[in-house]
Amino acid sequence: DTGVSQDPRHKITKRGQNVTFRCDPISEHNRLYWYRQTLGQGPEFLTYFQNEAQLEKSRLLSDRFSAERPKGSFSTLEIQRTEQGDSAMYLCASSLEGVGSYGYTFGSGTRLTVV
Amino acid sequence: DQQVKQNSPSLSVQEGRISILNCDYTNSMFDYFLWYKKYPAEGPTFLISISSIKDKNEDGRFTVFLNKSAKHLSLHIVPSQPGDSAVYFCAASITGNQFYFGTGTSLTVIP
Repeated sequence: DTGVSQDPRHKITKRGQNVTFRCDPISEHNRLYWYRQTLGQGPEFLTYFQNEAQLEKSRLLSDRFSAERPKGSFSTLEIQRTEQGDSAMYLCASSLEGVGSYGYTFGSGTRLTVV
Repeated sequence: DQQVKQNSPSLSVQEGRISILNCDYTNSMFDYFLWYKKYPAEGPTFLISISSIKDKNEDGRFTVFLNKSAKHLSLHIVPSQPGDSAVYFCAASITGNQFYFGTGTSLTVIP
């Protein structure tokens, strides 16, 4: 297993366009998390899934954001009508249920630039 | 509202000496604390954790100390090595699901 994979690594889009990111977690991990990191800040929680169920969403996740994990494996994060404030690194992480105290495994992230 | 704070944006240490990275938190309900290390262009990598029932956890050159009364966490790296140069984030959680991260401290270990 090569760890958590995120695609694409970089995305430049024009304001108002829709973008979609993909995350492939470690295969045996049933939990999957999305975080966002802006310059000079630490990662901020967006949402997490246990299998295909989305169990928690941050208020940061406005109605322009939607995340899915349809078969409990890979996940997608879509941002509609992108704004310049959406420019950030979007990080995906995965873990086994019940091992949150040992941390997640993060992917390398997708860097979004909205111009 | 920043619930986890790392007030030192950067730290420089000579190789072989001790690096001490500090973290403060405001929510007394936090019961899991983690440290992550991040190199440029990579995602954060889990380093070490501590639960609120302990006050110290060691893993090789890395030791995390927790002072619950002061709501303070620190990471000690002894001896520091040039490969330790990275950004270090502390993070805290109540449930072990959603973690609150600090803003990071950039550590430079000078050979």
